[in-house]
Amino acid sequence: DTGVSQDPRHKITKRGQNVTFRCDPISEHNRLYWYRQTLGQGPEFLTYFQNEAQLEKSRLLSDRFSAERPKGSFSTLEIQRTEQGDSAMYLCATNKLYNEQFFGPGTRLTVL
Amino acid sequence: RKEVEQDPGPFNVPEGATVAFNCTYSNSASQSFFWYRQDCRKEPKLLMSVYSSGNEDGRFTAQLNRASQYISLLIRDSKLSDSATYLCAVNGVTTGGGNKLTFGTGTQLKVEL
Repeated sequence: DTGVSQDPRHKITKRGQNVTFRCDPISEHNRLYWYRQTLGQGPEFLTYFQNEAQLEKSRLLSDRFSAERPKGSFSTLEIQRTEQGDSAMYLCATNKLYNEQFFGPGTRLTVL
Repeated sequence: RKEVEQDPGPFNVPEGATVAFNCTYSNSASQSFFWYRQDCRKEPKLLMSVYSSGNEDGRFTAQLNRASQYISLLIRDSKLSDSATYLCAVNGVTTGGGNKLTFGTGTQLKVEL
């Protein structure tokens, strides 16, 4: 257990619905990252927060995706109008400065 | 060319064997590198960091070859419990100053009796 928690662990939804995932980082880690991983691929970077500021977003993060980190603590990732192609494992990782990143258990999303 | 490339395997090896994986990267400015282990349907877990020439931790040795732009992971005396996917990750700096990781597709290892 790295100390990073994610909720829910699994989410099944119908196409067109909105979903929201939560990540709770290790308390002293001010940097938080979201990644997406599909079957047979490595995780792909989506977005990065330093404290409460979202400082970078990948081109993978379409307009249907939004992420927040109010007060620099937990973070949420929302997907609006889900599509079947959104089915993936959504991983949160945290670190301090340039240290190693530690991943949470992920949220596995299935869009029917 | 992909930013980070790995042979997907699978590598099937007998228990006790030594196995090595390579990972090539395209950005010569990359400064730090990591090996993660990922079990089926689980999150990646940090196995080793490779900041300079290499790193050793028990049965595991990671090496960096900057001239040829690859890192390697050597597993000695492999155990059944080493069966997993091994992900190579290369550190890149985000525009916001963070360090986003670029991963390879992973190499699957199966250790057999």
